[in-house]
Amino acid sequence: AQRVTQPEKLLSVFKGAPVELKCNYSYSGSPELFWYVQYSRQRLQLLLRHISRESIKGFTADLNKGETSFHLKKPFAQEEDSAMYYCALLQGAQKLVFGQGTRLTINP
Amino acid sequence: GAGVSQSPSNKVTEKGKDVELRCDPISGHTALYWYRQSLGQGLEFLIYFQGNSAPDKSGLPSDRFSAERTGGSVSTLTIQRTQQEDSAVYLCASSNVGGHYNEQFFGPGTRLTVL
Repeated sequence: AQRVTQPEKLLSVFKGAPVELKCNYSYSGSPELFWYVQYSRQRLQLLLRHISRESIKGFTADLNKGETSFHLKKPFAQEEDSAMYYCALLQGAQKLVFGQGTRLTINP
Repeated sequence: GAGVSQSPSNKVTEKGKDVELRCDPISGHTALYWYRQSLGQGLEFLIYFQGNSAPDKSGLPSDRFSAERTGGSVSTLTIQRTQQEDSAVYLCASSNVGGHYNEQFFGPGTRLTVL
């Protein structure tokens, strides 16, 4: 079965510290993975997708097929990064399978 | 332009009642999705509409849940005989399918509370 696992429900780091949100997936085939973010009182929105190989708001995520992981990283966390983060796997052409989410809190 | 809108923003109902949740997708978007967001469960896929194709209902948790999309635009998610475990935020998203994958744009959600 296709599945996305985010092992940490809560993650708290200090401002300026590195942050890594973990995501593991199970998928037979070539996966397409995404990170979505939901800031307080805002809508869920796309942060980045692995095929774009982009850095958004200082975040990057590398697909590691050997470890079936797609961890989200940022070298220096900022307070405005506090949000709920969801890792998602594309199933078929359009459907997304989401992880349970990680609530990230950046302490001043 | 206008994003995805959902109504109502909050709905409190009594166990056993039926509820209808509405989604207005972004104009021109051919694909529409319903998800459920609840504590401890993350985001669960419910149903997906694409153009005139038969909807993908594989995520609907029980036959109490149904959804329609009229005229390829507005969608209504109906929950019959609501139960307390149906309490959650119901999110709608839409996308413009023109290639392998297009970004899903989410609405603000409807928070459903079943007493």
